Amino acid sequence: DVVMTQSPDSLAVSLGERATINCKSSQSVLSSSNNKNYLAWYQQRPGQPLKLLIYWASTRESGVPDRFSGSGSGTDFTLTISSLQAEDVAVYYCHQYYTTLSFGQGTKVEIK
Amino acid sequence: EVQLVESGGGLVQPGGSLRLSCAASGFIFRSYWMHWVRQVPGKGLVWVSRINSDESSTSDADSVKGRFTISRDNAKNTLYLQMNSLRVEDTAVYYCARGGVTLDYWGQGTLVIVSS
Repeated sequence: DVVMTQSPDSLAVSLGERATINCKSSQSVLSSSNNKNYLAWYQQRPGQPLKLLIYWASTRESGVPDRFSGSGSGTDFTLTISSLQAEDVAVYYCHQYYTTLSFGQGTKVEIK
Repeated sequence: EVQLVESGGGLVQPGGSLRLSCAASGFIFRSYWMHWVRQVPGKGLVWVSRINSDESSTSDADSVKGRFTISRDNAKNTLYLQMNSLRVEDTAVYYCARGGVTLDYWGQGTLVIVSS
């Protein structure tokens, strides 16, 4: 099974500042057949359904603000919130769908 | 608007059974694979089970294999999870999710508590 490890477990960022979350997979999630990284990012706000933000490591889901961006390839990935807004307070999960689905342990983002 | 609404959770004793339902609307249900994912409150997400669009193929996590059965009724736009031989460690919020490129829409979840 592919183990996903996120860092940090939590971070506090000032409004308008950048937030960066890292995700490392125990094996590559890059497919050689289509050159796509099978990596997604989700946002979980209290009391709300999980929301897909990014898939294929860097493709923003329709309707997701462009302050959210994803990068990385192979085993190392990053979610960046370029200018943190109050509504971005949430737990963020990375997720691989290359093999049996698995998720990172989550990163809690708060306002400093 | 895509909506997924889970129901059927509750308190059950170890060894008991429960059937969860997920009512889908806002999309062509029969065209999508569907999944169940669970989350122990305050902890991470764990994939449980998935079913393809015409119910010809299913797959389960090792931790629930032989105890949980995923199924669907495309005429009723409803996904199910039959949970038997429940254990204390099955306590979690259970989410249904639509399988697009990956899990693109999720329900709010239903809480299952296994306790004596």
